[in-house]
Amino acid sequence: LAKTTQPISMDSYEGQEVNITCSHNNIATNDYITWYQQFPSQGPRFIIQGYKTKVTNEVASLFIPADRKSSTLSLPRVSLSDTAVYYCLVGTQGGKLIFGQGTELSVKP
Amino acid sequence: GAVVSQHPSRVICKSGTSVKIECRSLDFQATTMFWYRQFPKKSLMLMATSNEGSKATYEQGVEKDKFLINHASLTLSTLTVTSAHPEDSSFYICSASRVGGRLADTQYFGPGTRLTVL
Repeated sequence: LAKTTQPISMDSYEGQEVNITCSHNNIATNDYITWYQQFPSQGPRFIIQGYKTKVTNEVASLFIPADRKSSTLSLPRVSLSDTAVYYCLVGTQGGKLIFGQGTELSVKP
Repeated sequence: GAVVSQHPSRVICKSGTSVKIECRSLDFQATTMFWYRQFPKKSLMLMATSNEGSKATYEQGVEKDKFLINHASLTLSTLTVTSAHPEDSSFYICSASRVGGRLADTQYFGPGTRLTVL
């Protein structure tokens, strides 16, 4: 299973764009990249998933370079409610996901 | 769509008793469900993979006789913590992988169950 590396924590201010980069050097050909958000005492919530290039949905964008050894989650104009832990995972169909340490994002007023 | 529920949301029990936690996929079928535990300020740790109609696969270091998993249908998996002790107190989270043909099935997580063993 591909191991992921993320910054342990990040600070931001309301209204700013936040970019969280994840390294996954040994990602396999069939692996997708998925990002989850977790608030305290809640289960993780799916944010976005991608395989290559760029994916955008209503809450975030995911940028994946051609070599797929890293990915960047972009959160536009964060608010206080975006304060959470963000996890980057790689996995395949029906496969188990191994969570890394995640990135604790703190958004300040 | 893709809602996963857990019951109960929190439970307090005495040491030595057994506790059952249910995980249901409400609007989709899940051939595979996963069970995690999470300690405060720590990441999720995968405990086992539960496949409908077959025995669960446990991660290294997880006692299968202590954490009994049953996946009787495509929408229900249960985790029973047998003879619970204070060190079993934790946040237990399940996830369900949607049946489908895509290359990567997304896992959808339940809200978690807070277990406190006195």
